Amino acid sequence: GAVVSQHPSWVICKSGTSVKIECRSLDFQATTMFWYRQFPKQSLMLMATSNEGSKATYEQGVEKDKFLINHASLTLSTLTVTSAHPEDSSFYICSASNPGENTDTQYFGPGTRLTVL
Amino acid sequence: EDQVTQSPEALRLQEGESSSLNCSYTVSGLRGLFWYRQDPGKGPEFLFTLYSAGEEKEKERLKATLTKKESFLHITAPKPEDSATYLCAVQGGSYIPTFGRGTSLIVHP
Repeated sequence: GAVVSQHPSWVICKSGTSVKIECRSLDFQATTMFWYRQFPKQSLMLMATSNEGSKATYEQGVEKDKFLINHASLTLSTLTVTSAHPEDSSFYICSASNPGENTDTQYFGPGTRLTVL
Repeated sequence: EDQVTQSPEALRLQEGESSSLNCSYTVSGLRGLFWYRQDPGKGPEFLFTLYSAGEEKEKERLKATLTKKESFLHITAPKPEDSATYLCAVQGGSYIPTFGRGTSLIVHP
């Protein structure tokens, strides 16, 4: 298996401020991490693929200037929601696969609940 | 485009009442089909990865099977603690996982 952590687990911020969410692979190195968004009672919506040392690949309809992704090391990817607004309130989850397992199984972090007032 | 459809959307069972969840999929070049369990307010927890038709995997009261068009998650004699949303996902040649909408399972004592 593999362990993925996220920080913070929840955050409340005022409209117009920026919020950074960290995703860490604790016991393996991840060259690729995925960022998802989940609305209540809905499935996971892939936002972007984060690649270590290169620019993230964003899914259609996701604003790359609003959701900044940085994958500066093999164990850390960050998602920054810039100039957050109430409609950005959601549950954000990251995932990563463990290259050492020789599988494509994604292991998920515990998620971050963002509330924008 | 890869697609995943899960059914039923919601399922209510009595404790001990066995049942199955369905995951129908279309994918170009299946690399893997994944089952996850998600509790409210938490990230998905990995259950199984299946790679080829005919493969089966078991874990406690859960058993996952795979054909060329669908996967089943069988729950034998479920307990209330099995209540959760079960997610199915496929990964094809694009290496991007595609998730279904999930099946919400409630097991009554």
